[in-house]
Amino acid sequence: NAGVTQTPKFRILKIGQSMTLQCTQDMNHNYMYWYRQDPGMGLKLIYYSVGAGITDKGEVPNGYNVSRSTTEDFPLRLELAAPSQTSVYFCASSYLGRDGQPQHFGDGTRLSIL
Amino acid sequence: GDSVTQMEGPVTLSEEAFLTINCTYTATGYPSLFWYVQYPGEGLQLLLKATKADDKGSNKGFEATYRKETTSFHLEKGSVQVSDSAVYFCALSDQKETSGSRLTFGEGTQLTVNP
Repeated sequence: NAGVTQTPKFRILKIGQSMTLQCTQDMNHNYMYWYRQDPGMGLKLIYYSVGAGITDKGEVPNGYNVSRSTTEDFPLRLELAAPSQTSVYFCASSYLGRDGQPQHFGDGTRLSIL
Repeated sequence: GDSVTQMEGPVTLSEEAFLTINCTYTATGYPSLFWYVQYPGEGLQLLLKATKADDKGSNKGFEATYRKETTSFHLEKGSVQVSDSAVYFCALSDQKETSGSRLTFGEGTQLTVNP
């Protein structure tokens, strides 16, 4: 079972460069999320999606864009990388059911902007 | 808005010691509560959950009880092991069709267990 897969695992960017962080899940979950985790901090929600074609902003969306063309994929794009975007990025997915449905996380992408 | 407050860390214990990590929350509805664990270099893994008042979640010797009257969900383990060293996150989710199970996280508590 692959679960949630993120690529790449590590990346170094120069200021002003752009890149896409990939996320795919094979659990047929309708909900997907992107978080960032800064050192010593909890996770902050960047964007989320409740299904293909539907996305919405979380707490810290500035500087990022997302798309959801399929149920499986939820890429996160940085258009003009800034040092403040140095962080570890986690993608997660979940299913909405009657009981509390947990989120399933990928292993993260460690991104440094220099 | 919703919020989660965890006890300040880091926490350092000797093997076989008793563990408590405090977590309190603020929420407008009736959230589900979770504990996630993050081992070095890995993503978060669900440790346990509780979906309504007085529910007790348990897994791998860890327990937490959903206390609505004190808005708390403290994590406990009777005898910790070196392999329990990790960062522990308390989180809540107020499930809605419009936003799924959006999680609000506490800041995390680093636990180190020494042999």
